[in-house]
Amino acid sequence: QKEVEQNSGPLSVPEGAIASLNCTYSDRGSQSFFWYRQYSGKSPELIMFIYSNGDKEDGRFTAQLNKASQYVSLLIRDSQPSDSATYLCAEDGGSQGNLIFGKGTKLSVKP
Amino acid sequence: EAGVVQSPRYKIIEKKQPVAFWCNPISGHNTLYWYLQNLGQGPELLIRYENEEAVDDSQLPKDRFSAERLKGVDSTLKIQPAELGDSAVYLCASSFGGGAPGELFFGEGSRLTVL
Repeated sequence: QKEVEQNSGPLSVPEGAIASLNCTYSDRGSQSFFWYRQYSGKSPELIMFIYSNGDKEDGRFTAQLNKASQYVSLLIRDSQPSDSATYLCAEDGGSQGNLIFGKGTKLSVKP
Repeated sequence: EAGVVQSPRYKIIEKKQPVAFWCNPISGHNTLYWYLQNLGQGPELLIRYENEEAVDDSQLPKDRFSAERLKGVDSTLKIQPAELGDSAVYLCASSFGGGAPGELFFGEGSRLTVL
C-alpha cells in the first residue's frame, strides 16, 4: 500500500520568509511527484510536478526530490499572505492520474 | 473556458437516505475522476473513467456506491443508503492526455452531511 506522509502543521512563517514543506513516500519505485495547493473551502490546484532527482524551480517555488531518501519538498521563497493554504503532496500511484495524496500541510504566512 | 462543474454544492440528508452528485468535466477531457476528501485529509480516489469506461473502481464501496458516465461526458455518483461516515466532500476532477503529468482539474466539490 503506497503512502505519502506529510506533517499536517500548521506551519507559520512571517511574510517574506522561506516556507519549507516536506513529504516522504513509501514506495521506492515511485517516479512522479506533485504539489497541489488547496485554499480553505476550495478545490486543489496543481502548482508543480517533479520526477527527476534534484531541484526544479518555477518562480518563487522550488520542488526538490531525493529518491534515495524517498523525500520530496517544496520551498516557497518570499512567502506572501496569499500563499496561506494547505499544500498537498501526491505521487503517481502507477496508473496515470491515480494520484495518492498526503494529508496536506497547512501553511500560514503572517503579515 | 468553463471549469469542472459539480452540483449540488451542499447536501444535508438523514442516514439511510439516497443522494446523488453530478459532474460536468471540462470539454474535451476524456478522463474523469471521483475523489472523496474527509476533513483534514487528502483526496482519495473512488473511481476513474476513461471516456465511458470505468478503468479503476477498486476503492469504490460497491455495496452502497455506484457511478456512471453516460456518453463519456457527464457523470453521476450515487450513495444508497447513506451512512454517517459518508459525510465528506466529493470532488470530481478531469484531465486530458496532452496536459502536464498528474494535472487534474478539480471541481468545487459537493459537501455531504449525513445526520
